[in-house]
Amino acid sequence: AQSVTQLGSHVSVSEGALVLLRCNYSSSVPPYLFWYVQYPNQGLQLLLKYTTGATLVKGINGFEAEFKKSETSFHLTKPSAHMSDAAEYFCAVSNAGNNRKLIWGLGTSLAVNP
Amino acid sequence: DAGVIQSPRHEVTEMGQEVTLRCKPISGHNSLFWYRQTMMRGLELLIYFNNNVPIDDSGMPEDRFSAKMPNASFSTLKIQPSEPRDSAVYFCASSYGSPGDTQYFGPGTRLTVL
Repeated sequence: AQSVTQLGSHVSVSEGALVLLRCNYSSSVPPYLFWYVQYPNQGLQLLLKYTTGATLVKGINGFEAEFKKSETSFHLTKPSAHMSDAAEYFCAVSNAGNNRKLIWGLGTSLAVNP
Repeated sequence: DAGVIQSPRHEVTEMGQEVTLRCKPISGHNSLFWYRQTMMRGLELLIYFNNNVPIDDSGMPEDRFSAKMPNASFSTLKIQPSEPRDSAVYFCASSYGSPGDTQYFGPGTRLTVL
C-alpha cells in the first residue's frame, strides 16, 4: 500500500529565507508524486508533479522538488520565500496502475514572517 | 475553460435535513473525485468515478452518503439525513483519467449542519 508522510504540520520562515517542506512516501511500485497548494478559502491547485524523466521538477511560483528514490523523498523547496507563499501544502502519491486515486499527506501549513 | 464548478458555495442546514452538493467537471475530463476536508481528518477521498461509473467508494462514511454521476458533465453528493459531524468543506475535482494526470479542484462547498 502507498502512503505519504509530511514532516512538520507547521513551518514558519522569514520573508526571503529558504522554504523546505518535507515529504516522504512509501510505494512498492514506481510512484507518481505531486505537490498541491491551498490558499485560504480556495480549492487545491497543482504546484508541480513528477511522473517520469528528470528527477528535479520545477513548478509554478518558483517552487521545485527533487524525486530521490533512494531516500523515498520528494521535498519541496523555494530559494526565497515571499509573503504570498503563505498557504497549506499537500504532498500526494499515486502510481501507474489503473487506480486514479491520490494518497494524500496531512498537509504542512507555511507561515511567512515579514 | 471555467474550471470545476461547485454549488452551492455555502450551505447551512439543520440536523436531519437532506443536503445535495453539485459539481460540474471540466469538459473532456473522464474522472471525477469527491473529497471532504476537516481540521481533524484532513483531506479524505470519498468516492471517484471514471467515465461516469463509480470505481472506488471505500471512503464514503456511511449509508447516509450517496453520490451519482448521471452524465459526463454533472455529479451530485447527497447526505440524508445530515448530522453536525458532517460539517466540512466538500471538494469536487476532475482529471483526464490517466495515471499521473493532474486533478483540478473546484472552489469547494462549505457545509454547516446545526
